[in-house]
Amino acid sequence: GDSVTQMEGPVTLSEEAFLTINCTYTATGYPSLFWYVQYPGEGLQLLLKATKADDKGSNKGFEATYRKETTSFHLEKGSVQVSDSAVYFCALLIRGAQKLVFGQGTRLTINP
Amino acid sequence: GAVVSQHPSWVICKSGTSVKIECRSLDFQATTMFWYRQFPKQSLMLMATSNEGSKATYEQGVEKDKFLINHASLTLSTLTVTSAHPEDSSFYICSANPREEQYFGPGTRLTVT
Repeated sequence: GDSVTQMEGPVTLSEEAFLTINCTYTATGYPSLFWYVQYPGEGLQLLLKATKADDKGSNKGFEATYRKETTSFHLEKGSVQVSDSAVYFCALLIRGAQKLVFGQGTRLTINP
Repeated sequence: GAVVSQHPSWVICKSGTSVKIECRSLDFQATTMFWYRQFPKQSLMLMATSNEGSKATYEQGVEKDKFLINHASLTLSTLTVTSAHPEDSSFYICSANPREEQYFGPGTRLTVT
C-alpha cells in the first residue's frame, strides 16, 4: 500500500542552524508530494508541494525536491528561526485519488 | 487559497452527551470533505470521507454509529460524536480539496469529562 515514512523526532536545533527532515515514500501510483506544517494548537497549513519528479517545492525558505529514484522528498532550510518551531508532516496524494497519506510527523523545536 | 472553517474551535462536554462539529468551505464548493482525528503528538488519522448528498465512507475501525457524518450541502459537513466518552477526547480536523491540494480547517479540540 501507499505509505510515508519520516525521520523520528523530536528535532531540536539552535537558531540559524541547517535543517533537514527526511521523508521517503512508497506508492502504487504516481504521487504528488506535500509538506504540511502544524503550529501549536492549530490545523495544518500547506508549506510546499511537488507534483512530478525533479520538481522543487519552496516556500518561506524551505525547500524539498521530488526524487523519484530514491522515492524521497526531504525538507530543508538553510537557517532556521524560532518561529519555525512546529510539527512537520510529509504526505502524498495519488493521482485521481483524493485521500492524503501522512507520515507520522516530526516535531521541530528551535532554541534562540 | 481556499478557506475551510470549523466550529467550534474547542468544546468541553460531559460523558454521555453528543457533540456536533461543523466544517465549512467558505469560498468554494466541496462535494467531498475529509474528517481526521489527531491524538496528542501523533499524526492525523483519516476517519471518514464525507460525500455531499450520499453516505459517508468510513475508514476501517471507525464506528459509523459513533461518529455520524452529514454532508447536507456543498459547503457544509458535520461530524457528530454521539454518547461521547473521555476516550473520544481529541483534536478533530476537517479538510477539502477544491483542486489537487487539500485545505484544512483549524481543528476542533474536544474534551469529554
